[in-house]
Amino acid sequence: QVQLVESGGGVVQPGRSLRLSCAASEFTFSNYAFHWVRQAPGKGLEWVAIISYEGKNKYYADSVKGRFTISRDNSKNMVYLQMNGLRTEDTAVYYCTRDGSWYFDLWGRGTLVTVSS
Amino acid sequence: DIQMTQSPSSLSASVGDRVTITCRASQSISTHLNWYQHKPGKVPEVLIYVASNLQSGVPSRFSGSGSGTDFTLTISSLQPEDFATYYCQQSYNIPYTFGQGTKLEIK
Repeated sequence: QVQLVESGGGVVQPGRSLRLSCAASEFTFSNYAFHWVRQAPGKGLEWVAIISYEGKNKYYADSVKGRFTISRDNSKNMVYLQMNGLRTEDTAVYYCTRDGSWYFDLWGRGTLVTVSS
Repeated sequence: DIQMTQSPSSLSASVGDRVTITCRASQSISTHLNWYQHKPGKVPEVLIYVASNLQSGVPSRFSGSGSGTDFTLTISSLQPEDFATYYCQQSYNIPYTFGQGTKLEIK
């Protein structure tokens, strides 16, 4: 069915790196922009990054700019989030979401990233 | 960045009540305002997009209104499955920003 499935989360020490993946299925992947949205424990939702449908345009929240990189592979129906220089405050559930024209119309189930020494 | 402020932050209500949640933007966002429902352990789901459009499959007891800086989400008659946290989110400018959430609890 139409879905997004995230993977790649885990426990990592501060300063280390992690790459999240998001696999899309049962829709025309290359027609859509995608976002990453996160939720820290006990906190609200926070937008992280967006990548345009063809991958040319990318934007980031100030909190991750310069440390995180969003990318996509339209031949594999995949979206990625490379996270470098991780901090304890990056601990969160990370959701991959589809841009349904100015709103998030499809969400994955999320993957938990825990940054701890 | 555009700041989104929801009120109240929490709300206790009973099944059958009419509930209104408000969201205010720090600058005009036209109608680029969306509402999401998030239940513990579940995935957030869009309820209302572009201020007043009901997402397919969402019950008609949910409605949204507003433009510019002030928006409301109304649930006309609360059902047991509606107890959740609700977020507004603006898509007028990047970075897209969410309100802090409104936790709707059973009275």
